[in-house]
Amino acid sequence: NFMLTQPHSVSESPGKTVTISCTRSSGSIASNYVQWYQQRPGSSPTTVIYEDNQRPSGVPDRFSGSIDSSSNSASLTISGLKTEDEADYYCQSYDSSNQVFGGGTKLTVL
Amino acid sequence: EVQLVESGGGLVQPGGSLRLSCAASGFTFSSYWMHWVRQAPGKGLVWVSRINSDGSSTSYADSVKGRFTISRDNAKNTLYLQMNSLRAEDTAVYYCARVGPGGDLDYWGQGTLVTVSS
Repeated sequence: NFMLTQPHSVSESPGKTVTISCTRSSGSIASNYVQWYQQRPGSSPTTVIYEDNQRPSGVPDRFSGSIDSSSNSASLTISGLKTEDEADYYCQSYDSSNQVFGGGTKLTVL
Repeated sequence: EVQLVESGGGLVQPGGSLRLSCAASGFTFSSYWMHWVRQAPGKGLVWVSRINSDGSSTSYADSVKGRFTISRDNAKNTLYLQMNSLRAEDTAVYYCARVGPGGDLDYWGQGTLVTVSS
């Protein structure tokens, strides 16, 4: 089994850009798609990125995803930060038998 | 409208059992793979189990293997999680979620709280 490691927290000011990383411990990050979920307090998670870099309908284009094979990591970038973006963000991927979530990153917009 | 509604959570003693249900509506339940994901209070999301569309294939996290059983009744549009030999560390909100066309968990229920305590 592999692990996905995220920073525990990040903070940035409104209007700025923030990037959250997600590093895979073993196996190639490119071998299986990475998803990103947003979870606001008291709510269920919702998808902001699927298949590494695809946005579901309704998710603003301020949200983007990418993978970097050299660092074996995925990244979620949020530009033009808004206070409503303040939430926990989780990356998720899988292998042949298991799904794995990262530990989550608390984004504070202040 | 897609809806997933979990039920069956509650307080149970260590070593006890509980069966969670997830009632699905608004989509063709029998066509979709489903997952259970849990979240301990104040902690992150943890994958628990998944089942394919016809129930013939399942997989489990190592932490629940041999204790939990996922199943589904496509005639009743319902997903289940039978949880046996419960431990304090199983205390969490349990979510059911659908695997969407993009491979992500595109719809989640509101969750049901399971508390394992004496």
